[in-house]
Amino acid sequence: AQKVTQAQTEISVVEKEDVTLDCVYETRDTTYYLFWYKQPPSGELVFLIRRNSFDEQNEISGRYSWNFQKSTSSFNFTITASQVVDSAVYFCALSEERGGGNKLTFGTGTQLKVEL
Amino acid sequence: GAGVSQSPRYKVAKRGQDVALRCDPISGHVSLFWYQQALGQGPEFLTYFQNEAQLDKSGLPSDRFFAERPEGSVSTLKIQRTQQEDSAVYLCASSPENRDSLEAFFGQGTRLTVV
Repeated sequence: AQKVTQAQTEISVVEKEDVTLDCVYETRDTTYYLFWYKQPPSGELVFLIRRNSFDEQNEISGRYSWNFQKSTSSFNFTITASQVVDSAVYFCALSEERGGGNKLTFGTGTQLKVEL
Repeated sequence: GAGVSQSPRYKVAKRGQDVALRCDPISGHVSLFWYQQALGQGPEFLTYFQNEAQLDKSGLPSDRFFAERPEGSVSTLKIQRTQQEDSAVYLCASSPENRDSLEAFFGQGTRLTVV
């Protein structure tokens, strides 16, 4: 069975600090996909990134970066120079390869609060 | 609109009442998903449609939950004889047919409160 663990329930930082959100996953599949979503107070899940299991290159997008390590089954997310607008709940998710559709298994989320 | 639209945004139901939640996916999206998100938890998969075919309903918690997508576009999630444990946000997501594009686009959800 697939499982995603986000051990950090809530993180509070001061603006401009860097922050890393941890994600550990479990799967028996050799081909799978990992995702990060942001959920602001409005409730809509906003897609941030997707990685497949064969691509372990780290990725950087502006202030966001992701570190995928298959050896430790981790897919961590770092926000550099955090801003108040980054305050939200962040979810890590996993999907297996299938013929169609990407059923997602989500972690319990990390609430990030960025204060002035 | 350009995104996934769900209605109503909020629904209060008395225990035992039937409810119907609507999802308008992004035009042309083949895949449609329903998720249930309890307070303080991550979304949990309920069911999946490819066009009008319901290919996976393994996440539906009981036979009181029923989903349909008769014409392959709009979908309705129906909950019969609602119970307090059904209180949650119900999220709908759609994604294109292209397997390379596995991003799911989510709606804002319907917050159901059963009193």
